[in-house]
Amino acid sequence: DIAMTQTPLSLSVTPGQAASISCKSSQSLLHSDGKTYLYWYLQKPGQSPQLLIYEVSNRFSGVPDRFSGSGSGTDFTLKISRVEAEDVGVYYCMQSIQLPQTFGQGTKVEIK
Amino acid sequence: QVQLQQSGPGLVKPSQTLSLTCAISGDSVSSTSAAWNWVRQSPSRGLEWLGRTYYRSKWHNDYAVSVKSRLTINPDTSKNQFSLQLNSMTPEDTAVYYCARNRPGAPFDSWGQGTLVTVSS
Repeated sequence: DIAMTQTPLSLSVTPGQAASISCKSSQSLLHSDGKTYLYWYLQKPGQSPQLLIYEVSNRFSGVPDRFSGSGSGTDFTLKISRVEAEDVGVYYCMQSIQLPQTFGQGTKVEIK
Repeated sequence: QVQLQQSGPGLVKPSQTLSLTCAISGDSVSSTSAAWNWVRQSPSRGLEWLGRTYYRSKWHNDYAVSVKSRLTINPDTSKNQFSLQLNSMTPEDTAVYYCARNRPGAPFDSWGQGTLVTVSS
């Protein structure tokens, strides 16, 4: 199985400040079709996870543009340019280049 | 807008079988561009994909190795839903169980509300 490792595991951010989460995979997520199968999810308190970013850097429908994703191969980053109170929760990266699809441990983001 | 509505028990005894159902609205379990998954979440194992069912001229299933011998996922086209059956439950199977849809380019773009399943006598 592909291991997904996130850092940090928790983050306390002042509203309006930026936040960054790293995700590293144990194998390259670049497929021969040219796509990189790395995704980001946010699980708000008491809710199911929701898709934020697909294929490294594409925002899913309705996701604010303060969220951005970058990276390649095995190293990826999620950035929140100006954190808002509604961004609290646990962020997960996930790979789907091969089964089983595997998730990172999660990064808990809280507001100072 | 697809919606997934889960149903099933919250308490299962050790050695018994867990049965959960996920009713789909706004899409079809027989869609040839979707796959229907079960994912669970526990403090010890995090988010863990369990398996999926999907239709591409015929029905296909994939299961995680960790549960393959105990898990069955079945579609029900008459009710537009799919189900999970996990046999020989142990306390280590205690988790929140989610159903979720995969579409090309957007895995797990829609989730059920989650069902907390506790395995205890």
